[in-house]
This record gives sequence, structure tokens and C-alpha cells, in this order.
Amino acid sequence: DAMVIQNPRYQVTQFGKPVTLSCSQTLNHNVMYWYQQKSSQAPKLLFHYYDKDFNNEADTPDNFQSRRPNTSFCFLDIRSPGLGDAAMYLCATSTGRFNQPQHFGDGTRLSIL
Amino acid sequence: GEDVEQSLFLSVREGDSSVINCTYTDSSSTYLYWYKQEPGAGLQLLTYIFSNMDMKQDQRLTVLLNKKDKHLSLRIADTQTGDSAIYFCAEIDEDDMRFGAGTRLTVKP
Repeated sequence: DAMVIQNPRYQVTQFGKPVTLSCSQTLNHNVMYWYQQKSSQAPKLLFHYYDKDFNNEADTPDNFQSRRPNTSFCFLDIRSPGLGDAAMYLCATSTGRFNQPQHFGDGTRLSIL
Repeated sequence: GEDVEQSLFLSVREGDSSVINCTYTDSSSTYLYWYKQEPGAGLQLLTYIFSNMDMKQDQRLTVLLNKKDKHLSLRIADTQTGDSAIYFCAEIDEDDMRFGAGTRLTVKP
């Protein structure tokens, strides 16, 4: 089945140690999104790619970066994770920017030691 | 306050109907969505309604949209224990997608 796959499901890293989260899609969608979701809160958009065009939300910390080497893959890099970055990170895709339904992966839960 | 508002909790008995309400503020929203999130999982798209529609029905799910009051509701008929989850309302325009904080639905046997 076509889907959005996030790896790993659970990631533990140390305070300040860089970490990369991965997302892949078989839907061939143009747009890929990364969201941060903390407990009992709505998902918060960090950034998105429309094809190779990168769009950063104004309040996304500089500590968060993203790469999209091809249509299928998108990565979230956290350069120096702090305790406040512990959260669920959700990847989503859509055919068009914002005006089409977004399809989500199961998320990666990041813990910081 | 948030642009999209939902009640945080709803509890119903198995077999009853559930109604989850949402209010939004952006009159230019083109689509409104309902997502379901089970523990430890991502968001599952349940249904959506285009802003020029009043109602959409999909099996046990009925979405009602009152554009004048900017009010959206999701009715789940014959609620089952498997419907227990957090339900997010979301609105979209050309530039952004905004989620509510989610309504935690608990279904009691």
C-alpha cells in the first residue's frame, strides 16, 4: 500500500548530540511537511518542501533543519537537541501545498537524555 | 487564543452517538478536516468538507458545517470502543493549515 513511513518509531539521543529523523513516501506527492507535537497539544508545523522549494515557519528554531534529496525522502535534522525538543515528530505529504488533504506517517517519538 | 478551538474531552457510552465540535476563525478557509489520532500513532485523515458544503456523510460519520457561525461538527453514530482516540479539527487556506488542540473521546462499555 502507498504510505508515509517514518523511521525510527522511537529515537533516544543525548542532550546536544545531533539526531536525524527520516521520512519516506510512496505516494509521489509534491509536498512534504514536518510537524512537532508535544503531549496533549496540536501538531505544530516546522517547515515544508514543495518539490525542492523549502519553506520555513517563522518561529521554527534554527536548531531544526531539513533536507529533501529526492521526491521520496525527507529528513529532519536537530543539530543540538535540548530537553525541550523531546516530542513526537510527524511527517506528512500532500499533492498540493495546503489545499489538499495531508497524509501522515505514524511519527517518531524523540526522547532526550 | 487559538484560531481553531475544540473541547478537550468527551465521554460517551458504547452505542451512543458522539458529537465533537470545533470553531474556527478564518472565513477564507477552503477545506476543513477531521483527523483521528490513536495513542502513539500519527494522524489518520477521517473525512473533510469543502467550505461550500453544509453536510457530508460517510458511513458512521456526519460532518456539519455552519459557515456563518464558523462552526464544524463531527458526529459518530453507534460509537464503538475502537473510536476512543483524540480527534483534531483543522482548517486550511492557501497559505497555512491550523489544527485545534484535539478532543479526547473516551468510549465506555
